[in-house]
Amino acid sequence: DTAVSQTPKYLVTQMGNDKSIKCEQNLGHDTMYWYKQDSKKFLKIMFSYNNKELIINETVPNRFSPKSPDKAHLNLHINSLELGDSAVYFCASSHSARGAPGNEQFFGPGTRLTVL
Amino acid sequence: AQSVTQPDIHITVSEGASLELRCNYSYGATPYLFWYVQSPGQGLQLLLKYFSGDTLVQGIKGFEAEFKRSQSSFNLRKPSVHWSDAAEYFCAVGAGYGQNFVFGPGTRLSVLP
Repeated sequence: DTAVSQTPKYLVTQMGNDKSIKCEQNLGHDTMYWYKQDSKKFLKIMFSYNNKELIINETVPNRFSPKSPDKAHLNLHINSLELGDSAVYFCASSHSARGAPGNEQFFGPGTRLTVL
Repeated sequence: AQSVTQPDIHITVSEGASLELRCNYSYGATPYLFWYVQSPGQGLQLLLKYFSGDTLVQGIKGFEAEFKRSQSSFNLRKPSVHWSDAAEYFCAVGAGYGQNFVFGPGTRLSVLP
């Protein structure tokens, strides 16, 4: 069984469109994350949710909006797509009890977004 | 805030040779350190982690890493590289609850036959 899954794997779309990427984890983790990996392989955190509550919101355009219907899902919705949004987006999850060490994150396979 | 540097952007080794990938971190408290590997077109897989205790940690696929507080380093090593080890390697530092991982820029490993 896939621990962290993302759909779709590939997404090709035109500038200005709105699109969503879905993420699900079956590990029973309470924290989920979205990362963006640019063309130089640099990984940067975008958002983090703990038990459906937003705990990290890095400086990303407000065209990006995460939505967590439950603690097993964290979807990423992107409005008015731009060329610079082309990247690979990774979802991840972990246990992160308050006061505990930072536990390892488990990553999904990534979604390659191409904006034309 | 924590930060991570990986001084080598790209390393090429011959199959069977030993390998060391460097990682230096900056963090005011005890860091939680990780090495991940990303094969082409794949997600990230955890190789090993350090939280506390023995400063030499063993991971999967024959990798090990040594935490050296005095040098703020967490270098990854493997005694004999296999062609299948060719991938991108990321060092990361975590700071606990509510704190995200900070990843280094990655080191791309190429393996010559």
